[in-house]
Amino acid sequence: DSGVTQTPKHLITATGQRVTLRCSPRSGDLSVYWYQQSLDQGLQFLIQYYNGEERAKGNILERFSAQQFPDLHSELNLSSLELGDSALYFCASSVAFSGESDTQYFGPGTRLTVL
Amino acid sequence: GQNIDQPTEMTATEGAIVQINCTYQTSGFNGLFWYQQHAGEAPTFLSYNVLDGLEEKGRFSSFLSRSKGYSYLLLKELQMKDSASYLCAVRWASWGKLQFGAGTQVVVTP
Repeated sequence: DSGVTQTPKHLITATGQRVTLRCSPRSGDLSVYWYQQSLDQGLQFLIQYYNGEERAKGNILERFSAQQFPDLHSELNLSSLELGDSALYFCASSVAFSGESDTQYFGPGTRLTVL
Repeated sequence: GQNIDQPTEMTATEGAIVQINCTYQTSGFNGLFWYQQHAGEAPTFLSYNVLDGLEEKGRFSSFLSRSKGYSYLLLKELQMKDSASYLCAVRWASWGKLQFGAGTQVVVTP
């Protein structure tokens, strides 16, 4: 158990819908990262927050957005869902963003299925 | 991002040793991580290298050569539970975040 929690574990929804994925980082970690993992794409970085501020963006679609709240939990919002958005979504957290303290610890993931 | 290359799959026998190589472009390199991922589960941190040399952690060791853009993960005394995907991840100085390779699926046979 990494100490990172994610809810829900599974989510099944229809195309065009909107969902929210939630992540709570390990106690003491200020950085939160979101990743998407699909069968043909590997683990793709989406976005990073540090202490409530967006710090880095990866290949995140405009239909996707995220935020980190004052209590450091984070939410990833996916809207206008398409079949291709079906994937495992992981949240990870780290103490900071440099050196070994940047080691990311992953939550169990949310499996999203879009029908 | 820049290319991170690792073999797609490797097969080895229980009790044997397997070495998983990872190559990357050297420009902007700022640290390399290895993760283990079982199917459908979260990646689990194994090791971190930022200086040249070997880091040993029990049955797992990781090596880095910054000038060659090369790392390997060595798995000794293989066990069936070591069957998993092993992900090489590079942190780039310009990004400050990790880029993951596609992963190497290790299959351990009896």
